[in-house]
Amino acid sequence: KQEVTQIPAALSVPEGENLVLNCSFTDSAIYNLQWFRQDPGKGLTSLLLIQSSQREQTSGRLNASLDKSSGRSTLYIAASQPGDSATYLCAAPRPGQNFVFGPGTRLSVLP
Amino acid sequence: ETGVTQSPTHLIKTRGQQVTLRCSSQSGHNTVSWYQQALGQGPQFIFQYYREEENGRGNFPPRFSGLQFPNYSSELNVNALELDDSALYLCASSPPQARPTDTQYFGPGTRLTVL
Repeated sequence: KQEVTQIPAALSVPEGENLVLNCSFTDSAIYNLQWFRQDPGKGLTSLLLIQSSQREQTSGRLNASLDKSSGRSTLYIAASQPGDSATYLCAAPRPGQNFVFGPGTRLSVLP
Repeated sequence: ETGVTQSPTHLIKTRGQQVTLRCSSQSGHNTVSWYQQALGQGPQFIFQYYREEENGRGNFPPRFSGLQFPNYSSELNVNALELDDSALYLCASSPPQARPTDTQYFGPGTRLTVL
């Protein structure tokens, strides 16, 4: 059974800092690894998708890396802004299965 | 905006009652998945429907059931509500030929409170 964990659970930083959010998964036979953003009380927005054969993906100030052998993914946010404040979730589905989400990291970027 | 809508936005029920939550997918999306997200946790997969038939189920009891209709809408029904059913319920739809774990569009969710 796939289990996904995320650290830290919460993070509060001043604007402009570079951030690292961590995701770990127990079963390395994943189909892909995705990072989502969730604003309070809202649905999920997909940020980055890394296929199992890839090592990283980049979108603007976001960069996500994947190391299947160690069961880890990292989301790097450069030059954080108050608008980045949200909960960030990772999901690591195995082939033929639906998403298995981590509990999320709650990020607050202070102006 | 993903084009996926859910109703109602909020709902309050008492223990033992039954509830129906609704989701309207984007036109043409023939796969819909439902998730339960308790406060402070990640979403948990409930089940998935493809072309109006259940196509996968998570670790949820039979009192959680669903329907998918030809007009790309779907329902989540929960019988005999328990306090632990209080959560945000999310639906997500996928377009044809897309693997659900590649492309899912999430709705804003329905917040259910069971008293």
